[in-house]
Amino acid sequence: AQRVTQPEKLLSVFKGAPVELKCNYSYSGSPELFWYVQYSRQRLQLLLRHISRESIKGFTADLNKGETSFHLKKPFAQEEDSAMYYCAPKTGGGNKLTFGTGTQLKVEL
Amino acid sequence: DGGITQSPKYLFRKEGQNVTLSCEQNLNHDAMYWYRQDPGQGLRLIYYSQIVNDFQKGDIAEGYSVSREKKESFPLTVTSAQKNPTAFYLCASSGGTAATGELFFGEGSRLTVL
Repeated sequence: AQRVTQPEKLLSVFKGAPVELKCNYSYSGSPELFWYVQYSRQRLQLLLRHISRESIKGFTADLNKGETSFHLKKPFAQEEDSAMYYCAPKTGGGNKLTFGTGTQLKVEL
Repeated sequence: DGGITQSPKYLFRKEGQNVTLSCEQNLNHDAMYWYRQDPGQGLRLIYYSQIVNDFQKGDIAEGYSVSREKKESFPLTVTSAQKNPTAFYLCASSGGTAATGELFFGEGSRLTVL
């Protein structure tokens, strides 16, 4: 079955430490993958897309087809990175996305 | 001010009653979506519409209905057939000049069944 897995419900790191939010998928072919973020009291919003190979707010995500992973990384966590992060592959026509269960990132001082 | 507006923010319903959640967008987007968000389960797609007068079932459509009579509006009805309707509901839209895969979300509606 096609699915997306975020194994960690909660990830707690200290400020300045590296961050890696894991995402594994089991979709066939070459899916397009996205990371969405929801900060406290804000709307869910797009963080970055794998096809653009961009760095947003210091975060990057590399699609590893061999491991079927799309982990989100940042070398030095900041307090403002505390939020809920969702991995989302595109699973249908248009912009139909399937969201993972999310990982709550908490950056402690 | 452009964006997606969901109403009401909070809604209480008695068992056996239908309730309709409103979603309006002024972004001129063709596609609109309804997701349900439950703790520990992430977002699950209920229904989506890629164009006016057309919509498709998502992963958990049972007990829900939608209509798309206008481009700007995509109301969701939670019927009495939905076994576990208490949840947080999110509406989203996409299209226009937005990037591929970019959904614009509303602030959500929290439905509680008493």
